[in-house]
Amino acid sequence: GAGVSQSPSNKVTEKGKDVELRCDPISGHTALYWYRQSLGQGLEFLIYFQGNSAPDKSGLPSDRFSAERTGGSVSTLTIQRTQQEDSAVYLCASSLGIGRGGTDTQYFGPGTRLTVL
Amino acid sequence: GQQLNQSPQSMFIQEGEDVSMNCTSSSIFNTWLWYKQDPGEGPVLLIALYKAGELTSNGRLTAQFGITRKDSFLNISASIPSDVGIYFCAGRPTGTASKLTFGTGTRLQVTL
Repeated sequence: GAGVSQSPSNKVTEKGKDVELRCDPISGHTALYWYRQSLGQGLEFLIYFQGNSAPDKSGLPSDRFSAERTGGSVSTLTIQRTQQEDSAVYLCASSLGIGRGGTDTQYFGPGTRLTVL
Repeated sequence: GQQLNQSPQSMFIQEGEDVSMNCTSSSIFNTWLWYKQDPGEGPVLLIALYKAGELTSNGRLTAQFGITRKDSFLNISASIPSDVGIYFCAGRPTGTASKLTFGTGTRLQVTL
């Protein structure tokens, strides 16, 4: 079946502009995660959605970052007034969700490479 | 955010050699995971560990969940060129049901 997909694959924007990044999780996965990967670094947790529960936003670096998940499926990560330090690869992952078999394996999309000029 | 201490940062090895990398944490983890990331792609899960002392293999890969629950290692035996990539450890600290904490990665390059 189809894996996690993300769009666009690459995004170049000017400092100060807003950007929207999209994630389509695996069908049937109730949990969705956003991570940020800066050059040569590991993955930094941003936000987590689980079913209809309130999202865990504890990893969002500033109030310029927000995310939505509509209908329990597609998610959009929005970065307002982008800064150069926002340049990174933004990765989305989905999983069956906590309590589903106990493993909750996260499956990652290919990422969106964001470059802020 | 918090990151795990992963070493080595990079390594060049010859085809056929064995590889070992490890991760340590200052806090106790209840899950350890090892991922591999190829260029332009997202990480792919290699091995998952859920119990202290657990030793799990996946083909030429073997990983262990440290007894102290603060470390894990990954071994790759008889490396081949397609093993090239970045390997990340990841874990869930106790009391954390959702988000993973990732290591900084080990970049592996294999020469013929």
